[in-house]
Amino acid sequence: GNSVTQMEGPVTLSEEAFLTINCTYTATGYPSLFWYVQYPGEGLQLLLKATKADDKGSNKGFEATYRKETTSFHLEKGSVQVSDSAVYFCALILNSGYSTLTFGKGTMLLVSP
Amino acid sequence: KAGVTQTPRYLIKTRGQQVTLSCSPISGHRSVSWYQQTPGQGLQFLFEYFSETQRNKGNFPGRFSGRQFSNSRSEMNVSTLELGDSALYLCASSLSYGDIQYFGAGTRLSVL
Repeated sequence: GNSVTQMEGPVTLSEEAFLTINCTYTATGYPSLFWYVQYPGEGLQLLLKATKADDKGSNKGFEATYRKETTSFHLEKGSVQVSDSAVYFCALILNSGYSTLTFGKGTMLLVSP
Repeated sequence: KAGVTQTPRYLIKTRGQQVTLSCSPISGHRSVSWYQQTPGQGLQFLFEYFSETQRNKGNFPGRFSGRQFSNSRSEMNVSTLELGDSALYLCASSLSYGDIQYFGAGTRLSVL
């Protein structure tokens, strides 16, 4: 089956530190990959996406590169802010015509001033 | 453009009751998916609808059902509620199946 594995949190960083959240996947077909972010009390917001190997998704200073050879999609940001504190979910969807997202367990990020 | 709207935001029910949750997708979006989020199981797929037809269903018991109307609005129903049904229920809409999904704020259901 399909699955997504994320590093367990919480990840605790000071403001302006470098962020990496690891994500690896297994898929029965060729997936598109996503990072979603969830702020307290809210739903999920799409952060970035990549649809094919070597694509780099980027948004609001966050980046992730689709690595087919290592089945990974690690999230990075050069300098985190307190406002980035949230739960981050890595997800995949097979390019099979269905809308079924498979999510990782989520990684909580806590950024202190 | 208005986002995905879910109502109500919060619900408290007792075991054995039934509940209906509503989702209004982004205007023009015809695909609606539902997910259950719990601390233990994380985010799990419930159903996917497109043009009033259920296209895919997750691994949930028959107590969980849904439907989609001609205006793309969707409802999900849970009958004979159990304590384990307490969760955040998220709805997502997309232009068509397989497209990027945009999520609502969710309905938080507590079963006592």
